[in-house]
Amino acid sequence: AQKVTQAQTEISVVEKEDVTLDCVYETRDTTYYLFWYKQPPSGELVFLIRRNSFDEQNEISGRYSWNFQKSTSSFNFTITASQVVDSAVYFCALSEYIGSQGNLIFGKGTKLSVKP
Amino acid sequence: EAQVTQNPRYLITVTGKKLTVTCSQNMNHEYMSWYRQDPGLGLRQIYYSMNVEVTDKGDVPEGYKVSRKEKRNFPLILESPSPNQTSLYFCASSLIGTGRSPLHFGNGTRLTVT
Repeated sequence: AQKVTQAQTEISVVEKEDVTLDCVYETRDTTYYLFWYKQPPSGELVFLIRRNSFDEQNEISGRYSWNFQKSTSSFNFTITASQVVDSAVYFCALSEYIGSQGNLIFGKGTKLSVKP
Repeated sequence: EAQVTQNPRYLITVTGKKLTVTCSQNMNHEYMSWYRQDPGLGLRQIYYSMNVEVTDKGDVPEGYKVSRKEKRNFPLILESPSPNQTSLYFCASSLIGTGRSPLHFGNGTRLTVT
């Protein structure tokens, strides 16, 4: 069965610190998709990134970067030089390709607080 | 503007009074889904629809109904709401399923059942 674990419930950092949010997943499929979503205090869910299981290249987008490692079943998210606007709940999610195209499984989220 | 629209944003009701939360998308997406978000539990899927007239249960379907008569609309129906259905509800849509394209979420409906 598929599962996503975000072990860090809450993280608090001071502005300009780097922070890494961990995500560990479980799946028996060889083809699957991983996602990160952001939920700011206003409540909406914002898509950040999608990665398929065959693409292990790390990705960087501005201050955001993602490290996908199949060997450890992890898809970690790093924010460099954090800012107050990064304060949000971040969700990692997994979708299997075979048999579960209808279900996106979310982790329980990591609440990030960035203090000025 | 491409969007998923949920209504209402806030709803307070009493136990047993039937209610419907509407969801509409204007992106011609095939896939639509409902999630509920509860503190400490993250987002859990209630129902989803791969296309018109095709719906299926998610992880927590008890107490909910859905229908997909048109591509753009996917209402969530609570026939007899109970206090344990107090939650934040999100409707979402994507072009095809949940893997090959990202989900676009509505702004949420905060439901309180007293």
